[in-house]
Amino acid sequence: NAGVTQTPKFRILKIGQSMTLQCAQDMNHNYMYWYRQDPGMGLKLIYYSVGAGITDKGEVPNGYNVSRSTTEDFPLRLELAAPSQTSVYFCASRLAGGRSEQYFGPGTRLTVT
Amino acid sequence: SQKIEQNSEALNIQEGKTATLTCNYTNYSPAYLQWYRQDPGRGPVFLLLIRENEKEKRKERLKVTFDTTLKQSLFHITASQPADSATYLCALDDSSGTYKYIFGTGTRLKVLA
Repeated sequence: NAGVTQTPKFRILKIGQSMTLQCAQDMNHNYMYWYRQDPGMGLKLIYYSVGAGITDKGEVPNGYNVSRSTTEDFPLRLELAAPSQTSVYFCASRLAGGRSEQYFGPGTRLTVT
Repeated sequence: SQKIEQNSEALNIQEGKTATLTCNYTNYSPAYLQWYRQDPGRGPVFLLLIRENEKEKRKERLKVTFDTTLKQSLFHITASQPADSATYLCALDDSSGTYKYIFGTGTRLKVLA
């Protein structure tokens, strides 16, 4: 049981490039989330999904896109990378319902220069 | 506007003492509040959840209180140890029924030997 996995661990992008951050979970969780965390700050929700085929925006969705074609995978796409997207990105998942805890992946550290 | 506030300054305490961290919120009516621990370079790890109708929750050396009148949660670590040094995040459900969790910025705790 690997939990939540994220790839890559680190990435440097040039301004204007695109990339996809991968996230997968093997716990059969319905809910999945993408957060970004800037230095000294808390987690900001980018997008979330409550099941395959269903996604919705969080607090800071601009510049990002997601898809959820399977229960296991929830990739985050960055189009036209900008320096403001330099951050650490965390994927999380949990069971449906309000009481369940979130399980986080190890994070992807992204630098846009 | 909606806000979650945690002490932004680091908290230094002596080993063996009780650490108390505060989480205040405004313009939310959460049904659940969670606390997470985050070590440098890692994703957050769930510690405790407390419901709005619970005053207090305990787990080993950890205790959480939830006062919906004061709109405040306190997180206590008794008999603190240097291994407890980390950043602690509170998170509450955003009351929208979708069970998105909004995170505070976290408080960095350092336990001195």
